[in-house]
Amino acid sequence: GENVEQHPSTLSVQEGDSAVIKCTYSDSASNYFPWYKQELGKRPQLIIDIRSNVGEKKDQRIAVTLNKTAKHFSLHITETQPEDSAVYFCAAVSGGSNYKLTFGKGTLLTVNP
Amino acid sequence: EAGVAQSPRYKIIEKRQSVAFWCNPISGHATLYWYQQILGQGPKLLIQFQNNGVVDDSQLPKDRFSAERLKGVDSTLKIQPAKLEDSAVYLCASSLAGPPGEQYFGPGTRLTVT
Repeated sequence: GENVEQHPSTLSVQEGDSAVIKCTYSDSASNYFPWYKQELGKRPQLIIDIRSNVGEKKDQRIAVTLNKTAKHFSLHITETQPEDSAVYFCAAVSGGSNYKLTFGKGTLLTVNP
Repeated sequence: EAGVAQSPRYKIIEKRQSVAFWCNPISGHATLYWYQQILGQGPKLLIQFQNNGVVDDSQLPKDRFSAERLKGVDSTLKIQPAKLEDSAVYLCASSLAGPPGEQYFGPGTRLTVT
């Protein structure tokens, strides 16, 4: 089955700096890669996603890049703000018809004012 | 649009007891998922339903966990008997059928097994 590795496990940045979180996946047939943000005690919420036919996608301060050859994808947050502090999970949907989502272990991002 | 509803929000039980969780997905969402999220880890898929049929239950500990989705809407997840290692947040999510897209998560049920 699919295996998703996520790094780093914790990341601390100063407000206004950029943050980058990286993930690798094992199933070359995976075709959908969402990123979820989970604040303490809250439910995961989708912040951005990318499909395998696209190399990069941007939404305001958030961008995701995908390298299918290397089987890795990254989340980039620019001009970080304290409210960006949360746990971020990358995920990959395996190839096949059941669209099974496999999550990484998460990155705790802390943005210091 | 109403979100995914789950109950109860919190549950404390002793080991070897049984417990059940309930989920009501977003109206019109054919696919329903149950995840287990242990503290400090990402959600792990336990079971996935398409309407009222099971699509994937490969990571469901079937000797103690069971789930059903009657009439293709609400779903219940049961643990019997519970073990200490079952302490986790149980998240229900739903999505539209078809190509992969956003999964909408419920608030979760935090289970503590003592």
